[in-house]
Amino acid sequence: QVQLQESGPGLVKPSETLSLTCTVSGGSVYSYYWSWIRQPPGRGLEWIGYVFYSGSTTYNPSLKSRVTISVDTSKNQFSLKLTSVTAADTAVYYCARYLHGWFFDYWGQGTLVTVSS
Amino acid sequence: EIVLTQSPGTLSLSPGDRATLSCRASQSVNSSNLVWYQHKPGQAPRLLIYGSFSRAAGIPDRFSGSGSGTDFTLTISRLEPEDFAVYYCQQFGGSPYTFGQGTRLDIK
Repeated sequence: QVQLQESGPGLVKPSETLSLTCTVSGGSVYSYYWSWIRQPPGRGLEWIGYVFYSGSTTYNPSLKSRVTISVDTSKNQFSLKLTSVTAADTAVYYCARYLHGWFFDYWGQGTLVTVSS
Repeated sequence: EIVLTQSPGTLSLSPGDRATLSCRASQSVNSSNLVWYQHKPGQAPRLLIYGSFSRAAGIPDRFSGSGSGTDFTLTISRLEPEDFAVYYCQQFGGSPYTFGQGTRLDIK
């Protein structure tokens, strides 16, 4: 059974960079796409972007200028960096495996990141 | 951007009832690109339906999906206590991928 676990700081200061890592267990990052999704408090889900195991990426245009998603096949992990954060970036961040064009089939439980000084 | 509008926002029903959840798209979505998830507090979202009507592995047959074009429906034929949760539709047909705002299914 594939499992995903998000990790990273729960508090980030405004204007700084949010960094999260998703560790994949029970399966390999090879041959799959991996994605980040977030949910601000009281709001709906927002797709952030995805990375293929080869390193190629696609991002939500609304976040593209601030987002980098990367993969580390040696550690079976992938990561999210979001620069110049504001309070609007406060959200629960989920990582998920993406079957391209079809669905997100495995998700992490999510991690709350709060942007505050 | 394709906007997905789910209705109702909240649905209050009893175990054993039939639930009908709607997802309307702002433009036509290929049926193969419409998905439904179940989400309970503190848990990972769970894939229920993909390709508009195909059940994911391990999903009971009381869950069914239908629809095409701009109108899609998730039906739960007989509600079990564990079905009370938030349900989201999502489309992969156009970038950015978007989700509906969710329907909360509450116990009446």
